[in-house]
This record gives sequence, structure tokens and C-alpha cells, in this order.
Amino acid sequence: AQSVTQLDSQVPVFEEAPVELRCNYSSSVSVYLFWYVQYPNQGLQLLLKYLSGSTLVKGINGFEAEFNKSQTSFHLRKPSVHISDTAEYFCAVTRGTGGFKTIFGAGTRLFVKA
Amino acid sequence: DTAVSQTPKYLVTQMGNDKSIKCEQNLGHDTMYWYKQDSKKFLKIMFSYNNKELIINETVPNRFSPKSPDKAHLNLHINSLELGDSAVYFCASSQGPSDTQYFGPGTRLTVL
Repeated sequence: AQSVTQLDSQVPVFEEAPVELRCNYSSSVSVYLFWYVQYPNQGLQLLLKYLSGSTLVKGINGFEAEFNKSQTSFHLRKPSVHISDTAEYFCAVTRGTGGFKTIFGAGTRLFVKA
Repeated sequence: DTAVSQTPKYLVTQMGNDKSIKCEQNLGHDTMYWYKQDSKKFLKIMFSYNNKELIINETVPNRFSPKSPDKAHLNLHINSLELGDSAVYFCASSQGPSDTQYFGPGTRLTVL
């Protein structure tokens, strides 16, 4: 079975500062990894995903994430955040090829301050 | 055009009542899901259908019953509502079971 741990429940950061949201996963088989964002009072939407290939994945809104198999991590980064990035961010994992269930982490609340 | 839509957006009801939430997707996807998000934002899968067949049925009280009349629709019926059922319920769809999921806007259920 797969599991996901998001190491920070809240991350406050000033506007234009860099940010890293941490995600570790556990799985005995190959996995697909996702980051989703949830803005207030909305559903989740995909930021980026890793299926295979290059371990550095670029997503929307200037976000990127790096898949590190040896450390079983998939941390999300942005070099300079905006107020509009304030949202809940979810890391998710599913078993690659034949997986039926996506496991979501508990979420990290990113709060960008002016 | 909304890709995944849910109705109603808000639902306020008394304990013991029965209610339904409807979901429709116009993306042509084969897989649909119901999730429950609690007040701490924790997202838990409840059910998943692939080509109208139930493929995931998590430990959910049998007061909750999903129904998929066709691939584009997945409805959730809840009997005998309890206070603990208060949450935001999200419908989602994906091309396949491990693909990117597209979420609806959510239905906020409040049980009084």
C-alpha cells in the first residue's frame, strides 16, 4: 500500500520569497506522484505530476517539483511566491500501472504575506 | 463549459433526513470518484467507479450509496444523515484510475 506524508501543515512566507513544500511517500512499487492546489472554496486542480522520465517536473504558475527515488520525496518549489499563491496544497500518490486508488496527503496551507 | 459539475453547492438539512448530491462530467472520462473533505481539509476517498462499475468502496457507512446511471454521472445518496456527515463532498473524474483527477466545486453539507 502507498502512503503520503506532508511534513508541514502550514507554511507562512513573505511575498516574493522562495518556498518549498515537502512531501514524502512510501511504496513498495513504482508510483505516479501529483501535486494539487485548492484555492478557498474551490475544488482541487492539478499543479504538476510525475509519471516517469525527467525527475524535475514543471507545472503551472511557476511551480516545479523534483522526484527523488532514493529519498522517496517529491518536494514542491517556487522561486518567488505571490499573494495569489495562498492556498492549500496536496501531494498525492497512486500506484503506477494498474493502480486504482490515489492517496492524498493531509495538505499544507501556504500563506503568503505582503 | 464546466468540466465537472455538482449540485447542489450547499445543502443544509436536519439529522435523520435523506439527501442526494449529483455529479456530472463532460470530459468523456471513464472513472469517477466521491471524496469527503473534513473541517481540517483532510481528503478521503469514498467510492470510485470505472465504466459504471464500482472499483473502490472504502470503509463508508452503508447509509452512503453511490449510483452511476452512465459514465458521465455519479450520484451520492445519503440516508439517515448524522451530525458527523457534515463536510464538503467532492466529485472528481479521470481518464483512467491512476490519471490526473478533475474535481468539481464541492458540495458543502451541513447537518443540524
